[in-house]
Amino acid sequence: GIQVEQSPPDLILQEGANSTLQCNFSDSVNNLQWFHQNPWGQLINLFYIPSGTKQNGRLSATTVATERYSLLYISSSQTTDSGVYFCAVGTDLSGTYKYIFGTGTRLKVLA
Amino acid sequence: KAGVTQTPRYLIKTRGQQVTLSCSPISGHRSVSWYQQTPGQGLQFLFEYFSETQRNKGNFPGRFSGRQFSNSRSEMNVSTLELGDSALYLCASSPWTGGTEAFFGQGTRLTVV
Repeated sequence: GIQVEQSPPDLILQEGANSTLQCNFSDSVNNLQWFHQNPWGQLINLFYIPSGTKQNGRLSATTVATERYSLLYISSSQTTDSGVYFCAVGTDLSGTYKYIFGTGTRLKVLA
Repeated sequence: KAGVTQTPRYLIKTRGQQVTLSCSPISGHRSVSWYQQTPGQGLQFLFEYFSETQRNKGNFPGRFSGRQFSNSRSEMNVSTLELGDSALYLCASSPWTGGTEAFFGQGTRLTVV
């Protein structure tokens, strides 16, 4: 089946720093989402981005579907950005549709 | 617009028991999917329901089942609980099936003792 890899697995930043999180996937996908999992476990939608570039405040994302990767940029990081970031790809390669999640990037922003 | 509501938030059960978790999707959404999150296996797809029909099922034993009601609310049931079923169970709501954006609830944290 399709493989989704995220890098780096762990990231520690000083407040105010910028970062780039990467998501690589092994086959063509129908769509892609980025999530931030808060300390209570909820997955917060960041971007629904099958292709192209989107921006939302200090966050932006780019997906290049033909090259099978997506990037999440966090600028001027804040302590509230800490948590785990997941990318999930939507695929129907198995005949029916489902999301496959990467293993996540654990981000810690220090004050 | 209310988000995805999962109940209960926390649950402690004994091995061998069964458990039922509930998910109310965003109003107007017709697809509900369930995922299991564990430290060892990460986030794994359990199943999807759309218009009261199971559309898709992940690689989980038959002890895991679900259903969807006419108002799109969904329940999942785990019978004969095992210690390894301890996990965060997340429900996702989508307007439609097959590629629309998914919105997740806060999850139900199940502990099996």
